[in-house]
Amino acid sequence: GIQVEQSPPDLILQEGANSTLRCNFSDSVNNLQWFHQNPWGQLINLFYIPSGTKQNGRLSATTVATERYSLLYISSSQTTDSGVYFCAARGFSGGYNKLIFGAGTRLAVHP
Amino acid sequence: DVKVTQSSRYLVKRTGEKVFLECVQDMDHENMFWYRQDPGLGLRLIYFSYDVKMKEKGDIPEGYSVSREKKERFSLILESASTNQTSMYLCASSSQPGLAGVLEQFFGPGTRLTVL
Repeated sequence: GIQVEQSPPDLILQEGANSTLRCNFSDSVNNLQWFHQNPWGQLINLFYIPSGTKQNGRLSATTVATERYSLLYISSSQTTDSGVYFCAARGFSGGYNKLIFGAGTRLAVHP
Repeated sequence: DVKVTQSSRYLVKRTGEKVFLECVQDMDHENMFWYRQDPGLGLRLIYFSYDVKMKEKGDIPEGYSVSREKKERFSLILESASTNQTSMYLCASSSQPGLAGVLEQFFGPGTRLTVL
């Protein structure tokens, strides 16, 4: 089945800095999502982006499906951005929209 | 907005008890999922359902069963809880994959279950 790898595993930023999180996947995908897990454990949907580029405020994401990677950009980071960011993907051969999650990037933003 | 709710945020049970975790979604989604999340192991799929009364095993179904009697509700059942089932349980839902269908999954707030 598809494999999903995220990098870096940990990231420490000063408030106001920019960052890029990467997600590599091993096969063609028809679903690629980015999530932010808040301190209470809830997964918040950031982007549904199997291909192309999207922006939402200070966050943007790009998926280059032909090269099998996706990037999440965080600009002007804030302390509230802290938490774990997950990438999850479904390959074309996956049944019933089964998502495979990466191990996550743990982000800490310090004031 | 899609809303997925779970019956409890925190739950403490004793070994051997029967435990029910409930999940309800309000978007008329066909697909519903139960995951568990453990440190170092990430999110793993326990069971999913693609229609009322239909279910499929995920990657780690042992020790669990599920019930889907109504489209909006998906229950996870621990027949006889054990300490190794202490975990964070997350429910999700999505529409059915189709020619132009969006496959986005939406998650509930999670239930932290502790089995003593």
